[in-house]
This record gives sequence, structure tokens and C-alpha cells, in this order.
Amino acid sequence: EVQLVESGGGLVQPGGSLRLSCAASGFTFSSYWMSWVRQAPGKGLEWVANIKQDGSEKYYVDSVKGRFTISRDNAKNSLYLQMNSLRAEDTAVYYCARVLSYSSSYFDYWGQGTLVTVSS
Amino acid sequence: AIRITQSPSSLSASTGDRVTITCRASQGISSYLAWYQQKPGKAPKLLIYAASTLQSGVPSRFSGSGSGTDFTLTISCLQSEDFATYYCQQYYSYPRYTFGQGTKLEIK
Repeated sequence: EVQLVESGGGLVQPGGSLRLSCAASGFTFSSYWMSWVRQAPGKGLEWVANIKQDGSEKYYVDSVKGRFTISRDNAKNSLYLQMNSLRAEDTAVYYCARVLSYSSSYFDYWGQGTLVTVSS
Repeated sequence: AIRITQSPSSLSASTGDRVTITCRASQGISSYLAWYQQKPGKAPKLLIYAASTLQSGVPSRFSGSGSGTDFTLTISCLQSEDFATYYCQQYYSYPRYTFGQGTKLEIK
């Protein structure tokens, strides 16, 4: 059974940093692109970042470029999101999601999400 | 960037009704569109991909159609468990994606 379990969310002050983790199991993690998708309270879904199977390619939504870094450790079956210079508008539930394939880039499995709150 | 306009933003219907939700892309995206269902406090669930292909395990009352810029999700006979929020997502511009704004389907 495919499982994605996020952790690392919490309350952080504006300008602060946080590192999210996603533990994957039930599939060959190193064979899939992975993504982070977020959802602000009461709002819709927003794709945040993508990473290729070997970590050699990474893509970001414009609003987080230069502040967030996506990474992965295939030996640990884990995905990460390092978030720096956090702003109030980054407050959201952050989901880890598996991308089926490069050209069929929809999200077939999602984690339960972890809440990040940016507030003083 | 490709923009997706989803409508309506909310919809009231009764069990047994047939409902349709629409997504319009700002440019042609072929059939690179997926639909998701999200219930309160839960992660989204994939329903349909490639505009019209039903994900395994999804009931056949869900169907998708369209290509190019105009797409629809139809639920043919609403069940109580279908009241949720629905999102479309384009992946034509992979590896960057955009979602529609969502449609909240409520009980009338």
C-alpha cells in the first residue's frame, strides 16, 4: 500500500525557517517524480515544487523561488521542503504528492498534509 | 502561465441529481487534465486523468470529457458521499501545474 506521511509543520514567525519531511513507503520511491502542493486555510490547491527521480531537476512556483528548496533522499525514501524567509501568505497545509510520470503529471497519491502557520 | 477557470464556485444539488462542473484553460492543453475530490480535513483524491479516464476504484457515475480548452466533470446520480469540493488540474505545462479554483458541491 502506498503511503506518504508528512511531518515538520508548526508555528513559525515571519522571516523564519522550517523543514518539512515526507516519508514514503509501499512503492519504489526512486522511480517517481515527487511534488509539494499546498492549501491555504479555506482556499484552493496550489502546486509548490517538483523534483525529478534523481534530484537533478527541480521546479518551483514563482512565489517561492529563492526561498524554498525541494530535495530528496532516495536511500531513506524521503522527500523534503526547506522553507526560508517565510511569510504570512505561506500559511497552509502542505501535502506531499506522487507524480505518476513526467508526461502524465497528475498526482495519484497524496499524504495527509502538515500545517504550517506563519505568524508573530 | 496557463490559467484554469473553474465554474461554478459552488453548487447545491440533491441526492440523485446529475451535476456538471466545468474547467476552461487559457490555452489549449490537449487532454492533459485531471479531476480531484476533496472532503473536509482530507487530502485530495484523484478521480479522473487524461480528461476522461477514470482512476481505478472510482465509481462509474463520475465521468469526464473535453479536450483543448473546455472540460467537464459530470456526476450522473449524486450519492451522499459525493458532497465535497472538486478541483481540476492541468499538467500540459509539466513539470509545472495549475489547479482550478475549486467547486464546492453542497446538499440542497
